[in-house]
Amino acid sequence: DAKTTQPPSMDCAEGRAANLPCNHSTISGNEYVYWYRQIHSQGPQYIIHGLKNNETNEMASLIITEDRKSSTLILPHATLRDTAVYYCIVKDRTSGTYKYIFGTGTRLKVLA
Amino acid sequence: DTGVSQDPRHKITKRGQNVTFRCDPISEHNRLYWYRQTLGQGPEFLTYFQNEAQLEKSRLLSDRFSAERPKGSFSTLEIQRTEQGDSAMYLCASDTLGVEGWVTDTQYFGPGTRLTVL
Repeated sequence: DAKTTQPPSMDCAEGRAANLPCNHSTISGNEYVYWYRQIHSQGPQYIIHGLKNNETNEMASLIITEDRKSSTLILPHATLRDTAVYYCIVKDRTSGTYKYIFGTGTRLKVLA
Repeated sequence: DTGVSQDPRHKITKRGQNVTFRCDPISEHNRLYWYRQTLGQGPEFLTYFQNEAQLEKSRLLSDRFSAERPKGSFSTLEIQRTEQGDSAMYLCASDTLGVEGWVTDTQYFGPGTRLTVL
């Protein structure tokens, strides 16, 4: 079973920040938080990952709470092309673990 | 483009036929994964390879399914005697296990092969 829970859907106005929450209350010390998105009929696209510090790249920012039990993916200026299903995944990066366990994700709809 | 590639992108077949899909991972990645995704669900793990060794198979991978990665490069996934329940998107991903035991890269996914069984 997936170790994360996400709201099934969210709407966001174009040009506004999209804040996508993820709960991972049972996360362990070696587990990273990964975010992917999947645009209709394409493979999942990597967005960002982090352990405990906030992270930012050209696509998004990842805010992880101090207790690491939840995180938020922020798309600072959402565009129509950001409409997709967003998946939050926790995974250990040590060699003994490998597969991702996906939940059902959050379907983000960016509105014009 | 040096990303993960999959072929074909779409396959329509009749029930009972055999189908084979191919995945070419990112060239320096030594681990390769197959996932299956049905409508409205997240991808589900099927199997993975480290180099040419198949190290785990999910219980989702019935005996009609077989995967190979003969030289540790590309991989094939074959489904024999297809059933309508096999209709899904089949996704391939790859990453690297580094020398010190840490996964040094995230998994990168290919575009998928969408299978429709009539």
